[in-house]
Amino acid sequence: GAVVSQHPSRVICKSGTSVKIECRSLDFQATTMFWYRQFPKQSLMLMATSNEGSKATYEQGVEKDKFLINHASLTLSTLTVTSAHPEDSSFYICSARGESAQETQYFGPGTRLLVL
Amino acid sequence: GQNIDQPTEMTATEGAIVQINCTYQTSGFNGLFWYQQHAGEAPTFLSYNVLDGLEEKGRFSSFLSRSKGYSYLLLKELQMKDSASYLCAVIEGTYKYIFGTGTRLKVLA
Repeated sequence: GAVVSQHPSRVICKSGTSVKIECRSLDFQATTMFWYRQFPKQSLMLMATSNEGSKATYEQGVEKDKFLINHASLTLSTLTVTSAHPEDSSFYICSARGESAQETQYFGPGTRLLVL
Repeated sequence: GQNIDQPTEMTATEGAIVQINCTYQTSGFNGLFWYQQHAGEAPTFLSYNVLDGLEEKGRFSSFLSRSKGYSYLLLKELQMKDSASYLCAVIEGTYKYIFGTGTRLKVLA
């Protein structure tokens, strides 16, 4: 299957700082990228969907000013957690997909964020 | 509204067969995926169903009944490495993937 990378894999930061997470599709052009958050022993919760060159579509309850998403190219999307707080500590996973709705999405390895 | 239900946990013995069920209520159904997720790792793709019936892929098979809003993942010849969470996800419309809470499967020796 296709490869999606995510960086960093783990980050620890102080409360109030901003953290940027990169998601790259390495061997295919990702028309659509998704950002998920997963708390321990829970399923993935979709945060937002982004298409290259357009604004992200955020799920209900996700603050777009706090979780900034940029999908500047067909191989790169970034998620910036602004003014992070301890409750933002979670496992953040990106995924990428080609054009067809019936294609699977390929997941990155995830980023574990711990806000102190 | 959207609703996807899976059992929270299941336990099975190495070499056995286990069936993990998923029921869903969504609008604009456009397919159903099964993913495997080991602890601390990202999900990996197992199967995709959009038409009714059974899709077989090695030790794993997935079944879909759209009229019943029901799917199952069948794992045969269980191995210890199959201990993981299994996520059912429904595509609604063009872009929206809705995930179930996942089923944690423990395979015992």
